[in-house]
Amino acid sequence: AQKVTQAQTEISVVEKEDVTLDCVYETRDTTYYLFWYKQPPSGELVFLIRRNSFDEQNEISGRYSWNFQKSTSSFNFTITASQVVDSAVYFCALSEVHGAGATNKLIFGTGTLLAVQP
Amino acid sequence: DADVTQTPRNRITKTGKRIMLECSQTKGHDRMYWYRQDPGLGLRLIYYSFDVKDINKGEISDGYSVSRQAQAKFSLSLESAIPNQTALYFCATSDRDRGYTDTQYFGPGTRLTVL
Repeated sequence: AQKVTQAQTEISVVEKEDVTLDCVYETRDTTYYLFWYKQPPSGELVFLIRRNSFDEQNEISGRYSWNFQKSTSSFNFTITASQVVDSAVYFCALSEVHGAGATNKLIFGTGTLLAVQP
Repeated sequence: DADVTQTPRNRITKTGKRIMLECSQTKGHDRMYWYRQDPGLGLRLIYYSFDVKDINKGEISDGYSVSRQAQAKFSLSLESAIPNQTALYFCATSDRDRGYTDTQYFGPGTRLTVL
């Protein structure tokens, strides 16, 4: 069965610290996609990144970076030099592939609340 | 203007009332979804629709129904609201990608309280 685990319920850091949010997933499929979304205090969900199971290259976008390791079924998210505006709940999600156009269900983790203190 | 809008943004209702949450999108996407978010549980899929004539149940569809009035509109109804349907509800849209899955973009959410 599909499952996404975000074991860190809450993390608190001081501004400018680096922080890594963990995401571990379970799936039977060899083809799947992984996502990260950000939910700031205002409540909306903001898409951050999508990664497919065939692409294990790490990705960097400004202060954000993602480390995908199939060997450990992990897709971790690191924020470098954190800022107060990074304070939010971050969700990791998994989408399995069941053939072209079949399903596109996102399975979400329970989220990690990141609090960045000034 | 936002690409995905939800109305109302906040709603308080009483047990047993019928309530409809509406979602509209200007992204031109074919696929639309309804999720609910509960503290500590993440988001769970209620219903999804790949086009106007294709509606499917998600993980937690009991107590809910949907209507896809047009490509751009997808409504969620609670026929007889109960307190454990108090949650934050999100609409999402996606477009068929060249690959086998596509990225979902979410609306701002509707906070529903059932007393």
